[in-house]
Amino acid sequence: AQKITQTQPGMFVQEKEAVTLDCTYDTSDPSYGLFWYKQPSSGEMIFLIYQGSYDQQNATEGRYSLNFQKARKSANLVISASQLGDSAMYFCAMRGILTGGFKTIFGAGTRLFVKA
Amino acid sequence: DSGVTQTPKHLITATGQRVTLRCSPRSGDLSVYWYQQSLDQGLQFLIQYYNGEERAKGNILERFSAQQFPDLHSELNLSSLELGDSALYFCASSVGTGVGELFFGEGSRLTVL
Repeated sequence: AQKITQTQPGMFVQEKEAVTLDCTYDTSDPSYGLFWYKQPSSGEMIFLIYQGSYDQQNATEGRYSLNFQKARKSANLVISASQLGDSAMYFCAMRGILTGGFKTIFGAGTRLFVKA
Repeated sequence: DSGVTQTPKHLITATGQRVTLRCSPRSGDLSVYWYQQSLDQGLQFLIQYYNGEERAKGNILERFSAQQFPDLHSELNLSSLELGDSALYFCASSVGTGVGELFFGEGSRLTVL
């Protein structure tokens, strides 16, 4: 079975500081994708970043980077230079191909608060 | 704007009633996914369709059903509604069934009174 674990229900970070949101996963699928989504208070789900299990380099998208450690089954999101607008709920997600079927599963989320 | 359109955005109804939520995927996307997000909860996968066929099923109640039509839009039907069905229902789409990202609609917020 596939599983995503986000152990930080809430995180605080000072504006302009970097923050790491933790995500660990469990799968027996040899090929899978890992995703991070942002959900602001308005409710929409915004795709941030993607990492393929066979990608050699960690994914980066602007201020977002994914610290992918395959052996440890972790896919932490790093947000650099935090901004007030980064305050939101962040979800880690995974989709496998074989054992995972075709569904993307989500972790419970981490609520990030950026302080001025 | 993700390109995924969901209607209605808000819906208030009574217990025992039936509602239909509608989703139009991004142009060119063949896969449609439905998720349920209860208050302060994560997203629970309900069901996925690919080019009109059901491909994966999650924890979808028997009172709920879905389908994807030839024009690729999808509908989620919720019947015999209970208070606990109050939630934000998301539709998402992707090009195929591989490991590409999902693009989400803005969600349909259902309130059952």
